[in-house]
Amino acid sequence: EDQVTQSPEALRLQEGESSSLNCSYTVSGLRGLFWYRQDPGKGPEFLFTLYSAGEEKEKERLKATLTKKESFLHITAPKPEDSATYLCAVNQAGTALIFGKGTTLSVSS
Amino acid sequence: DGGITQSPKYLFRKEGQNVTLSCEQNLNHDAMYWYRQDPGQGLRLIYYSQIVNDFQKGDIAEGYSVSREKKESFPLTVTSAQKNPTAFYLCASSMDRAYGYTFGSGTRLTVV
Repeated sequence: EDQVTQSPEALRLQEGESSSLNCSYTVSGLRGLFWYRQDPGKGPEFLFTLYSAGEEKEKERLKATLTKKESFLHITAPKPEDSATYLCAVNQAGTALIFGKGTTLSVSS
Repeated sequence: DGGITQSPKYLFRKEGQNVTLSCEQNLNHDAMYWYRQDPGQGLRLIYYSQIVNDFQKGDIAEGYSVSREKKESFPLTVTSAQKNPTAFYLCASSMDRAYGYTFGSGTRLTVV
């Protein structure tokens, strides 16, 4: 049973078309939720960490939010350079980070 | 600059051979991790080490081995017992899991 589920698997947007990516989790004792960006053939790059429900973080066109069951990565007025795979991971006590399968975002001009 | 270095970037292996992937960090991080990434599978944990001379199996450790003799280094050996080794391998390190990971740039292993 997946503990971290990301949706959709793939998302195609036009430049300037805002949308959201979802990360739902079923782990108990959450000790942090992480968002990473991964470009093809490269290692993931850290974006945000969220620790408690209601917390929000922003960086340029990206905003991450957290509830008790899920997190959203909102992308406002995306540009082609925002095209990448976005990974969500959770920190559960006693183990390494657990990753979702990612959402691949394509933004066309 | 501090960072985590994986080498080589591309690696080709003949069936039946063992190969070792290198991972070195100069971030003074205590913990290091190896993940495997396949298309549509996300990142799956192979092994992790929280301290020198100690490591734990992850979800898919069969066919792999690791060592942690130095804080800076966490090499991964893909043995001939790994039946489907073709994948993208990622190494990561962290000071504390609560602060997330720093990843290397990955090694793409192909069996020929």
